[in-house]
Amino acid sequence: SQTIHQWPATLVQPVGSPLSLECTVEGTSNPNLYWYRQAAGRGLQLLFYSVGIGQISSEVPQNLSASRPQDRQFILSSKKLLLSDSGFYLCAWNHGAPNTEAFFGQGTRLTVV
Amino acid sequence: QKEVEQNSGPLSVPEGAIASLNCTYSDRGSQSFFWYRQYSGKSPELIMSIYSNGDKEDGRFTAQLNKASQYVSLLIRDSQPSDSATYLCAVLRNYQLIWGAGTKLIIKP
Repeated sequence: SQTIHQWPATLVQPVGSPLSLECTVEGTSNPNLYWYRQAAGRGLQLLFYSVGIGQISSEVPQNLSASRPQDRQFILSSKKLLLSDSGFYLCAWNHGAPNTEAFFGQGTRLTVV
Repeated sequence: QKEVEQNSGPLSVPEGAIASLNCTYSDRGSQSFFWYRQYSGKSPELIMSIYSNGDKEDGRFTAQLNKASQYVSLLIRDSQPSDSATYLCAVLRNYQLIWGAGTKLIIKP
């Protein structure tokens, strides 16, 4: 069966510090991978998605970046965090086929102080 | 107009009653429709998927899709306090999931 791992679960970082969140998927190959951010009481905002190694599409211009160094690994990064980067970050995957639902990692609660 | 719209709630339903959650979407080219449940502080988990017009039942949950009217709904029968959560509607279009902001459901004992 497929599983998705995302870490860390919680993170408190000072303004201006770097960020690296990692997500890995097991039990499948060539998944579509997604990074979402969810502000408190709000819906899911798609940040990045990737349909293959090295292929990253950005949905929202900001100081975040994403990379996919391996087929089942997706990394969200920032060189300098802003207060507005605080939120709940979710990694998700699905197959690149029609009618395919997405599955989420446990999420990372990021607080920038 | 948002692409996927949901009433934010909260929707308060007595325990044992039927909870009805609604979602409308704007793009007629949307292909697949999903309902997720999200407990506070947790990630969304898939409850139901529906692809064709009509009803789809899974235990206490029934998803209803009407493509002509562009809405999808979720019915929860015999509501339990453990059903209290935010329910997210998602619509698949061109391999991208478009999300509603969610409806907060409260089941009162």
